[in-house]
This record gives sequence, structure tokens and C-alpha cells, in this order.
Amino acid sequence: TQLLEQSPQFLSIQEGENLTVYCNSSSVFSSLQWYRQEPGEGPVLLVTVVTGGEVKKLKRLTFQFGDARKDSSLHITAAQPGDTGLYLCADYGGATNKLIFGTGTLLAVQP
Amino acid sequence: EPEVTQTPSHQVTQMGQEVILRCVPISNHLYFYWYRQILGQKVEFLVSFYNNEISEKSEIFDDQFSVERPDGSNFTLKIRSTKLEDSAMYFCASSGLGHQPQHFGDGTRLSIL
Repeated sequence: TQLLEQSPQFLSIQEGENLTVYCNSSSVFSSLQWYRQEPGEGPVLLVTVVTGGEVKKLKRLTFQFGDARKDSSLHITAAQPGDTGLYLCADYGGATNKLIFGTGTLLAVQP
Repeated sequence: EPEVTQTPSHQVTQMGQEVILRCVPISNHLYFYWYRQILGQKVEFLVSFYNNEISEKSEIFDDQFSVERPDGSNFTLKIRSTKLEDSAMYFCASSGLGHQPQHFGDGTRLSIL
């Protein structure tokens, strides 16, 4: 069974700082996805990356996929309080549509 | 933008009672899912449903659990005899064919006393 480990578990930073969070898989990703979950809400898809070495940007968020497709990072530039939330990486469970989620990074951005 | 809606937002039930959690998936989606998230733990897959039958289920989804699409719009999760360890957030999701993105509802917080 694929295991997705995320680090750090918790991160508390000041508004304007930069940060990077990581996701590592015990096996090659099928289709890596990053979600953000805000308190009291369900996960919301941010991005999907498929190709090793791929880099995708979403405003101040930069997603990088490792060449070997077993790790990924999410970098946030000039964090804002609105970035606060639980960041989850996920992958499809092989040929099925079920999602396997990582352990999550809880980010708090202080104003 | 279409969204997945779940009711109730919070359900408190005595241990041993039956609960039904309800979901209205996005109307043109074909795959439906239930996930749960125990407090402080990761989101776990429970079951997927396609073409009016279960397509996959996890070890968590034992005989106490069942799913149904009773009327072509609702998608329900029933827990027959709840246990304390069933306390969790339950998320419904839906998607199109293949590896289309899954859209999640805001969850039902289930508290078993």
C-alpha cells in the first residue's frame, strides 16, 4: 500500500514569509495532486502534476514534481493569512479512482 | 460553479444507532465516493460507486456500512450500528469518467456518544 508522508506536520509563519512543504511517496506517483482544506470545509484541488520534473505555478504557489516521480514540493511566496489551511498531497490508488491522501501539513500564517 | 452538498453538517448519535449521511453530487458526474477523516488523522477512502454499484471499497467499509443512490440525485452512506470509533468527518466526493478531478463536499461531522 502506497504511503504518502508530508513534512513538516505543522508550520506557523508570519505574513510575507516564504515557505516550502514536502510530500514523499513510498512508490512512484500515478498522478500527484495537491489539495488545500480550510477549517470546516472539504479538500479543494489546487493542481495535478503527472510528468517527472514538472513545475506548475498558481499565482504565489509553485509546485514541483521530482524527476523520479516519488516526491513533490509546494513553495509559497510571500504567504498571506488567506493561505492558512491544511495542505494535502494525494495520488490515485493504482488503476482505481480512489484517492490516497498524505498526512498533511497544517499551515498557519499570522498577520 | 456546481458543488457537492452534504447534509447534515453535524450529526450526534448514540452508540448502536443507525445513521444516514446524505450527499448531492454534481449532476453530470458519474463516480461517487465517501471518505472519512478522524480528528488529527489523514483523509481515508471508504468506498467508490459507479453505475449503481460499488466499484471499490476499503477495509474500513465493513458490513456495518452501505451506500445507495436512491433517486438519481442523492448518494447516501448508512452506518447500521454506530460505534464510538465511527466518530469522524465524512466527506462525499464526485467526479467524471477516468481520472477526472474529484470535487468534495464540506463534510458531515459525526459524533457518536
